[in-house]
Amino acid sequence: GAGVSQTPSNKVTEKGKYVELRCDPISGHTALYWYRQSLGQGPEFLIYFQGTGAADDSGLPNDRFFAVRPEGSVSTLKIQRTERGDSAVYLCASSQVGGDGYTFGSGTRLTVV
Amino acid sequence: LAKTTQPISMDSYEGQEVNITCSHNNIATNDYITWYQQFPSQGPRFIIQGYKTKVTNEVASLFIPADRKSSTLSLPRVSLSDTAVYYCLVGGLRGYSTLTFGKGTMLLVSP
Repeated sequence: GAGVSQTPSNKVTEKGKYVELRCDPISGHTALYWYRQSLGQGPEFLIYFQGTGAADDSGLPNDRFFAVRPEGSVSTLKIQRTERGDSAVYLCASSQVGGDGYTFGSGTRLTVV
Repeated sequence: LAKTTQPISMDSYEGQEVNITCSHNNIATNDYITWYQQFPSQGPRFIIQGYKTKVTNEVASLFIPADRKSSTLSLPRVSLSDTAVYYCLVGGLRGYSTLTFGKGTMLLVSP
């Protein structure tokens, strides 16, 4: 596609439930990133994929968060046993080596009630 | 990762030139300086990237002094649609590194 696509755009879930957030990067971009943004803050790094493997997952806050990219394209961020503090906008970005920078999607706004 | 410091907010009027300065005293030799723009309900958008001296594109100019400990994003003749948060970041290989965002500079352009 022309840009990074994230679905759903909004997700409301109950505390304790499991959620999946999807990211479809720009075709051919080998690097994929997940960030989380709370109100009034800059995006906070979660995890970075190079191809199919997670090259850096140091930003994942705890083991309730997990992400996969099985075929080196689409990625899914999975959150188990959601908590109200997980409420934020989850941003996905992709890039290629030698490119000027990331291309971000519009994000998924997750609200845990 | 090098830390950046930039003003929390700036105000301007339509048609004026806006300069946003960012300090990054601990920038590493292989770090690039990148600026992103973010509108509400959207992800950040790449504006410009540079390593040293001056870079100009159709949107902005980036000025980097010889010591690279600071940089200035220059937006010529801003319009209302330039109201956004602007982030200054430093990081490694172009387009291929984990970036650390600060809180950014909220630029408000008024009529």
